[in-house]
Amino acid sequence: DQQVKQNSPSLSVQEGRISILNCDYTNSMFDYFLWYKKYPAEGPTFLISISSIKDKNEDGRFTVFLNKSAKHLSLHIVPSQPGDSAVYFCAASGNQFYFGTGTSLTVIP
Amino acid sequence: DVKVTQSSRYLVKRTGEKVFLECVQDMDHENMFWYRQDPGLGLRLIYFSYDVKMKEKGDIPEGYSVSREKKERFSLILESASTNQTSMYLCASGWAAGTNEKLFFGSGTQLSVL
Repeated sequence: DQQVKQNSPSLSVQEGRISILNCDYTNSMFDYFLWYKKYPAEGPTFLISISSIKDKNEDGRFTVFLNKSAKHLSLHIVPSQPGDSAVYFCAASGNQFYFGTGTSLTVIP
Repeated sequence: DVKVTQSSRYLVKRTGEKVFLECVQDMDHENMFWYRQDPGLGLRLIYFSYDVKMKEKGDIPEGYSVSREKKERFSLILESASTNQTSMYLCASGWAAGTNEKLFFGSGTQLSVL
């Protein structure tokens, strides 16, 4: 049973606009959440994370928002750039790491 | 920088062959993981190890085994490769899952079983 879900398999955004990637989870015991970025034929690389004691964490163009009551987190990329085109995985940390199915982001120049 | 090295980027094997995928990390991490990535299915955990000679089944261990004889090395073994094991295999290492901990991934091995 998928404990971390990314319901949008793909997303296309114009360069310069905002990209919003969404993630839902089912286990209220998760206390740490991460986003990874993956280019084709490469391993995922860590992008940004958030602890459950916070509702927002920002790193440059990337911001992650956490809504614990809704068991929902989102990744905002502003402004989006063509180099951001990749697959983004959401993950939650419990007794192990649980990954979502990924969202493929395409930023159109 | 943390380095997780997978021995092969691309492998082509025949059905029934025994396949070894090797992974080495240089950060003295306790935990090491093997995932496979398939389109639409995301990253699925095959096996993980939290110490030398220790192993735990993940979500999809069938058809696979693992070996961890040294802390820095974690091997994934396909005893008799089948076409449905064609996939991208990703090794990762890290400290224990928990706040402020993250996984570091290797570059992946794209395995094709013909």
